[in-house]
Amino acid sequence: AQSVTQLGSHVSVSEGALVLLRCNYSSSVPPYLFWYVQYPNQGLQLLLKYTSAATLVKGINGFEAEFKKSETSFHLTKPSAHMRDAAEYFCAVSDRGGYQKVTFGTGTKLQVIP
Amino acid sequence: EAGVTQFPSHSVIEKGQTVTLRCDPISGHDNLYWYRRVMGKEIKFLLHFVKESKQDESGMPNNRFLAERTGGTYSTLKVQPAELEDSGVYFCASSQVTGNPTGELFFGEGSRLTVL
Repeated sequence: AQSVTQLGSHVSVSEGALVLLRCNYSSSVPPYLFWYVQYPNQGLQLLLKYTSAATLVKGINGFEAEFKKSETSFHLTKPSAHMRDAAEYFCAVSDRGGYQKVTFGTGTKLQVIP
Repeated sequence: EAGVTQFPSHSVIEKGQTVTLRCDPISGHDNLYWYRRVMGKEIKFLLHFVKESKQDESGMPNNRFLAERTGGTYSTLKVQPAELEDSGVYFCASSQVTGNPTGELFFGEGSRLTVL
């Protein structure tokens, strides 16, 4: 069975500071990994995904994540936080089967302080 | 192109009543998923349709929940009778079966269910 663990249900950063949201995964096979974002009153939106091509994945809005197999991690980072980044972020894992069942973490709410 | 749409956006019902949630996937997406998020917890998988067939319904909590996708287009999720613990946000997602090997899902905005 696959799973993801997100450390920290709430993270606060100052505007302009580094954003680091942690995600560790567990999977019996090489996984596909995702970060989704949910802005207030909106649905989930794909931020970026790892599909075994490059280990450093760049997404929208300046976010990136690095797949580290040795650490079973897929942490999300952004060099400089902006007020509009305030949202809830979900790490997710999918097996490589044909039907793409995605398993989500518990989410991390990012607060950006002006 | 229209995204995944869900209706209603918010429903408040009393314990014992029935509620039906509807999801319209992106046109041409044969995969349709239902997920649920209970407050503060993870987004949990409920079930997966491929066209009109239930591919995986291992996440359905109990037999008070009934999902259908007649004709392989829109889907409904009925809760009957609703209990307090059914409160949460129900998300629908869709994806293509082919040309999408990595499993990217497209989500609706969710239907918030409050059971009093």
